[in-house]
Amino acid sequence: AQSVTQPDARVTVSEGASLQLRCKYSYSGTPYLFWYVQYPRQGLQLLLKYYSGDPVVQGVNGFEAEFSKSNSSFHLRKASVHWSDSAVYFCVLSASSGSWQLIFGSGTQLTVMP
Amino acid sequence: AQTIHQWPVAEIKAVGSPLSLGCTIKGKSSPNLYWYWQATGGTLQQLFYSITVGQVESVVQLNLSASRPKDDQFILSTEKLLLSHSGFYLCAWSLVGGSYEQYFGPGTRLTVL
Repeated sequence: AQSVTQPDARVTVSEGASLQLRCKYSYSGTPYLFWYVQYPRQGLQLLLKYYSGDPVVQGVNGFEAEFSKSNSSFHLRKASVHWSDSAVYFCVLSASSGSWQLIFGSGTQLTVMP
Repeated sequence: AQTIHQWPVAEIKAVGSPLSLGCTIKGKSSPNLYWYWQATGGTLQQLFYSITVGQVESVVQLNLSASRPKDDQFILSTEKLLLSHSGFYLCAWSLVGGSYEQYFGPGTRLTVL
């Protein structure tokens, strides 16, 4: 069965600090992985995606993520957060077999303190 | 550039009343279309997907139905709302072929009283 686990429901960091949001996936095949961000009362925006190749992928607004097949992880990172990064972040898995279904993690609420 | 529009922005409805939510995608021919539901403070649950006009597949049964009357339009509806239908409804599109990233609309907030 496919699943995505985001172990941290809430993360609080100070502005200017570095950030890591954790994501673990379970899928026997080759996963396609995404990070989405949801600002209050808005839809989801795609931050970055991983299909294959370089395990470190760059996204928008200085975000990056690192894929690890051995650890079944796809952690999101940012070197220096801004107060406007406060939002809910979702790690998402798509099965590469052609399924149209996205499997969402439970989300991590990020709060950046000024 | 592709744009995705959802209507209405928000609805307050009574239990037992009918509902119709809409979604339109402009700037993309024959996309895959999706409906999602999000409980307040929760994660997203895919409800339906459609790969072509007139064809809709159900992923989860929530006493809702969906239709795709036009290539660029996706409708979510029910004849009888339940309290459990409250939440945030999101429409999304993706490239044909599956597995690819999906792009989400601004959503419709539904409150059932």
